[in-house]
Amino acid sequence: QSVLTQPPSVSGAPGQRVTISCTGSSSNIGAGYDVHWYQQLPGSAPTLLIYGNINRPSGVPDRFSGSKSGTSASLAITGLQAEDEADYYCQSYDSSLSVVFGGGTKLTVL
Amino acid sequence: EVQLVQSGAEVKKPGESLKISCKGSGYSFTSYWIGWVRQMPGKGLEWMGIIYPGDSDTRYSPSFQGQVTISADKSISTAYLQWGSLKASDTAMYYCARLQGYCSGGSCRGYFDYWGQGTLLTVSS
Repeated sequence: QSVLTQPPSVSGAPGQRVTISCTGSSSNIGAGYDVHWYQQLPGSAPTLLIYGNINRPSGVPDRFSGSKSGTSASLAITGLQAEDEADYYCQSYDSSLSVVFGGGTKLTVL
Repeated sequence: EVQLVQSGAEVKKPGESLKISCKGSGYSFTSYWIGWVRQMPGKGLEWMGIIYPGDSDTRYSPSFQGQVTISADKSISTAYLQWGSLKASDTAMYYCARLQGYCSGGSCRGYFDYWGQGTLLTVSS
């Protein structure tokens, strides 16, 4: 059971918008700690997608955006493309456990 | 270009020991924390621990404390993850990753901006 809760799966058709939630508690996201997001394409290592809640590393399309409010954070993907099919993980800091990851969400592009 | 290159896949028997490596290049290896992350088959990411190669300061996740040893040799820009006695449940992919952040006291904050390609460990009799 992960400290950060993500839906196991989400899906959307090409061109649509999907969101992935990451729900924490007062000891992590709710305490104001930053949330970061990673994309893991099938058979590959994770790559950084969003850092510091809302920032995109260079090279990440602006179709990907992050937000945070209260004890939760969200990753939004607009203009969904087949190449976005991957697993997505949120990560933050927890005052008891230090580095924590969400359980991951599998995105299926229909 | 920042790169983290990990050692190759391993097949081991229960009870054997193992040390896998992660070699950094393209940046000052001694100036960034390097973390290790486990991914069991079909499962999510789990933070194992982290080391600062500059002085070998190390932190462990409570779940992995005493189960593995993390070390580094700054002279060859390489971090290591080591097991003394492998179990079948150690079968997993292991990633090293560079932390863009810091560790202070018992806490580590930041994000992992570069990742190794992963080392697949299979432990089976």
